[in-house]
Amino acid sequence: KAGVTQTPRYLIKTRGQQVTLSCSPISGHRSVSWYQQTPGQGLQFLFEYFSETQRNKGNFPGRFSGRQFSNSRSEMNVSTLELGDSALYLCASSAGQLGGTQYFGPGTRLLVL
Amino acid sequence: AQTVTQSQPEMSVQEAETVTLSCTYDTSENNYYLFWYKQPPSRQMILVIRQEAYKQQNATENRFSVNFQKAAKSFSLKISDSQLGDTAMYFCAFPNTGNQFYFGTGTSLTVIP
Repeated sequence: KAGVTQTPRYLIKTRGQQVTLSCSPISGHRSVSWYQQTPGQGLQFLFEYFSETQRNKGNFPGRFSGRQFSNSRSEMNVSTLELGDSALYLCASSAGQLGGTQYFGPGTRLLVL
Repeated sequence: AQTVTQSQPEMSVQEAETVTLSCTYDTSENNYYLFWYKQPPSRQMILVIRQEAYKQQNATENRFSVNFQKAAKSFSLKISDSQLGDTAMYFCAFPNTGNQFYFGTGTSLTVIP
């Protein structure tokens, strides 16, 4: 099976802009989770989507949003970008059951100038 | 709330030697799962090993094994016959009942030739 794919891999934006990141899960997986990774805060959970519904949400401001489509592909949107949003954004897919292994994509590196 | 603690920010090991990475966690749950992931310089998060808490037997995966002490809430990773390709950041991870993964701060492992 093909792995988790994320696009784009690299992105440079300026403060105030918005950005959309995309994640295609492993075929058959219905759960997609998003994480933000920064040197200072480590890996932080953003949200999880399962069967097109947000099932869990981390402690991030409303500028961070997401959605999932019927084919399980997911998008994450960040509006009004701030310098602190510069990070590696990781997407992970799983079958969706509790304790199921999450398989990660290669990440999107976002730089906000 | 669940917490995951990795107390060793950096470690090094000679090639072909054995090294153990430590992880402790806190939970009030009885049935849960624990994971070790590695993140090499490419930044791709890769599953190393998964442990089910209700299983007494420690998980093993080739050169990787865990020492799971449920009462002590300890979950260490042992890497035998270390190889240069094992150089990476290693994260201990623990999903809550909502399938939100909590990650430790990571241990940077360097394998020395």
